[in-house]
Amino acid sequence: DTAVSQTPKYLVTQMGNDKSIKCEQNLGHDTMYWYKQDSKKFLKIMFSYNNKELIINETVPNRFSPKSPDKAHLNLHINSLELGDSAVYFCASSPSSGGVAEQFFGPGTRLTVL
Amino acid sequence: DAKTTQPPSMDCAEGRAANLPCNHSTISGNEYVYWYRQIHSQGPQYIIHGLKNNETNEMASLIITEDRKSSTLILPHATLRDTAVYYCIVRVSNNDMRFGAGTRLTVKP
Repeated sequence: DTAVSQTPKYLVTQMGNDKSIKCEQNLGHDTMYWYKQDSKKFLKIMFSYNNKELIINETVPNRFSPKSPDKAHLNLHINSLELGDSAVYFCASSPSSGGVAEQFFGPGTRLTVL
Repeated sequence: DAKTTQPPSMDCAEGRAANLPCNHSTISGNEYVYWYRQIHSQGPQYIIHGLKNNETNEMASLIITEDRKSSTLILPHATLRDTAVYYCIVRVSNNDMRFGAGTRLTVKP
């Protein structure tokens, strides 16, 4: 069983479009995250989210917004896509926010903006 | 937040122990040392974490020096599938994991 899944695996789109990436975890975790890994392979956290609190990395443009329909899902919406948004996006989850338990990562979504 | 320093790359012979060092000289008393790895094109995978004591699990051992300024991740019998980028992260909690450049470990036959 896949613990953290993401769809789609690949996403190719035109500049200016709006797109979403879906993430689901079946681990019963309370906290979910979105990370961006750019072409230089640096992995940076974008958001952490649980039922009560959204923590946003201050460097993330407001074109990016996480949306959580329920505890098992955290989708990433991106408006007005730009060339610099091309990257691999990883979703992750952990049992709690602010604890020391490990994070479980999804397989990633490779976004290419043309 | 404590910063970490890792060698950019290392090689290891298959079947031998891989010892990956990490320096974190500015670590504070309540910061944990985490290790993750990322195999090519996959999501990062948790390996182990510790605070003061050495830790061991089915994947690896973590040796933390007494002054906590450095640590070593040990893969006791490296296989080709252990080829990956290994990240050492020092954080108070799991809420804000910050991944550096890591060490690219290549296990050779």
